[in-house]
Amino acid sequence: AQSVTQPDIHITVSEGASLELRCNYSYGATPYLFWYVQSPGQGLQLLLKYFSGDTLVQGIKGFEAEFKRSQSSFNLRKPSVHWSDAAEYFCAVGGDTGTASKLTFGTGTRLQVTL
Amino acid sequence: NAGVMQNPRHLVRRRGQEARLRCSPMKGHSHVYWYRQLPEEGLKFMVYLQKENIIDESGMPKERFSAEFPKEGPSILRIQQVVRGDSAAYFCASSPMAGGANVLTFGAGSRLTVL
Repeated sequence: AQSVTQPDIHITVSEGASLELRCNYSYGATPYLFWYVQSPGQGLQLLLKYFSGDTLVQGIKGFEAEFKRSQSSFNLRKPSVHWSDAAEYFCAVGGDTGTASKLTFGTGTRLQVTL
Repeated sequence: NAGVMQNPRHLVRRRGQEARLRCSPMKGHSHVYWYRQLPEEGLKFMVYLQKENIIDESGMPKERFSAEFPKEGPSILRIQQVVRGDSAAYFCASSPMAGGANVLTFGAGSRLTVL
């Protein structure tokens, strides 16, 4: 069964500092990997995705993530955090199981940004 | 180009009542997914539907929950005889095609509170 682990429940960084959110996954085949962001009371917005090819993927709002098969990881990074990045971030994994796009989500990492 | 529309955004029910949550997918999307987010948790897959068909309901509780996506009109998630444990945010997502290499677009969610 597929699973996603986000080991950090809550992270606080200063505005302008760099950010790395960790994500480890378990999946039997080549995974499709996603990062979504959720602002309070809102739905989920896709930040970036990895399907195949270049293992370093660029997303919106200056985010990037690197797929490392050997470590089963897909960590999210941003070189300089802005106060508006405060939100909850979810990593998700899916695959070609025949039942399309059945994503498994991690429990999320809540990002707080201090000024 | 409206996104995924969910209503109501907030719903309050007393124990034993019925809750109906509606989801209109993005234009051109014929695949609908329902996820549930319990407080302080990630999203959990409930059901995947195409028009007039339930494709995968492996995440649906065995009793009291049902979903449909009729030929005309929105998808409906129905919860009968609600209990306090049903209090959660229910998210709908849609996609234009089947397959894992596919991006889900999420709605803003319907937040159910059971008194």
